Amino acid sequence: AQSVTQLDSQVPVFEEAPVELRCNYSSSVSVYLFWYVQYPNQGLQLLLKYLSGSTLVESINGFEAEFNKSQTSFHLRKPSVHISDTAEYFCAVSDRSSNTGKLIFGQGTTLQVKP
Amino acid sequence: DGGITQSPKYLFRKEGQNVTLSCEQNLNHDAMYWYRQDPGQGLRLIYYSQIVNDFQKGDIAEGYSVSREKKESFPLTVTSAQKNPTAFYLCASNSGGGSYEQYFGPGTRLTVT
Repeated sequence: AQSVTQLDSQVPVFEEAPVELRCNYSSSVSVYLFWYVQYPNQGLQLLLKYLSGSTLVESINGFEAEFNKSQTSFHLRKPSVHISDTAEYFCAVSDRSSNTGKLIFGQGTTLQVKP
Repeated sequence: DGGITQSPKYLFRKEGQNVTLSCEQNLNHDAMYWYRQDPGQGLRLIYYSQIVNDFQKGDIAEGYSVSREKKESFPLTVTSAQKNPTAFYLCASNSGGGSYEQYFGPGTRLTVT
């Protein structure tokens, strides 16, 4: 079985400052890793994913995440945040060997960007 | 435009009533999922279906039921047996066969009083 822990429930940060949202996972099997973003009262949108290859993955809006197998982490970073980045962020994992496509989600981290 | 629709966006019911939440997708995806979201708990899987006329329980299936009679539709019924039905419900799909990315609908917020 897998589990995902997002270490911070809320992260307040000033506009244009850097931010890191932390994600650790536990799994006895190899996993795929995802970050999703949710704006208020909306569904989730995929931000980025790690399936294979380079351990550093990037999104089109400046976020990046690095898969660290030894530390079982997949932290999300952005060098300079905008007010529009205010949202809830979810880390998720999926079992590589399973064909169900099921995702296990962390508890979520609310990013609050202040002017 | 392809996507997932959920209706209604807000739903209010009295305790003891069953209620059905709609989920429709035009992405031609094989697999569909229902999640429940509560503050501070992330998303928890209720039911999922990988093919028409077949579905499996997720982690919190008690008090819920589903059907999958058509590829594009996966309705969720919240029964009176569900102890704490007030929540935000999200439907998702992926194309199955090893595809890993799930696409989400906009959600339905159910309030039971």
